[in-house]
Amino acid sequence: KNEVEQSPQNLTAQEGEFITINCSYSVGISALHWLQQHPGGGIVSLFMLSSGKKKHGRLIATINIQEKHSSLHITASHPRDSAVYICAVRPQGAQKLVFGQGTRLTINP
Amino acid sequence: GAGVSQSPRYKVAKRGQDVALRCDPISGHVSLFWYQQALGQGPEFLTYFQNEAQLDKSGLPSDRFFAERPEGSVSTLKIQRTQQEDSAVYLCASSLRRWRGAYNGETQYFGPGTRLLVL
Repeated sequence: KNEVEQSPQNLTAQEGEFITINCSYSVGISALHWLQQHPGGGIVSLFMLSSGKKKHGRLIATINIQEKHSSLHITASHPRDSAVYICAVRPQGAQKLVFGQGTRLTINP
Repeated sequence: GAGVSQSPRYKVAKRGQDVALRCDPISGHVSLFWYQQALGQGPEFLTYFQNEAQLDKSGLPSDRFFAERPEGSVSTLKIQRTQQEDSAVYLCASSLRRWRGAYNGETQYFGPGTRLLVL
């Protein structure tokens, strides 16, 4: 079983829909990252969380440390949000990130 | 300002050939990471440098993989006697480690990756 599991693996929605991507992990962590990867490879960091909730524009990320679970929400989704969204955790005491397999999001106009 | 750059962006190698992949981190970033991303998968950790010191190489899949960062800035990932299973995107990331204050982790800035195809 992977240390970081994301669901769903693929998600297709219509423009304007509210999107939720989930991430569960099995190890103690010092931080959790949500990343966005567009076709062609470039990875951009969206959020880094160690507790609570963060919001940036239409993106919201939450984390529940006790339940070892995080969610990424996108409000009023747009075709330009189409990308792979990756959850990654930083295990306690480590520098490296451990990644989930990613969620491929497609927003149709 | 310049981000993390990697070269080459694409590399096609014949099985058995040696390859060298370069990463230029953001200037002043202390930490440098190499990750391997197979098609359709999330990245997987290969190795980590703090300045010139390679502090973690637990993710290197075999002794054919070697990484160095001799002057604490540019890093090279070398793969000897490439095999088809080495085909992947190799990602480099850097971060600026803070030595004081609360430290729960830092944003890692990723390069565009090198797509390696071994035939």
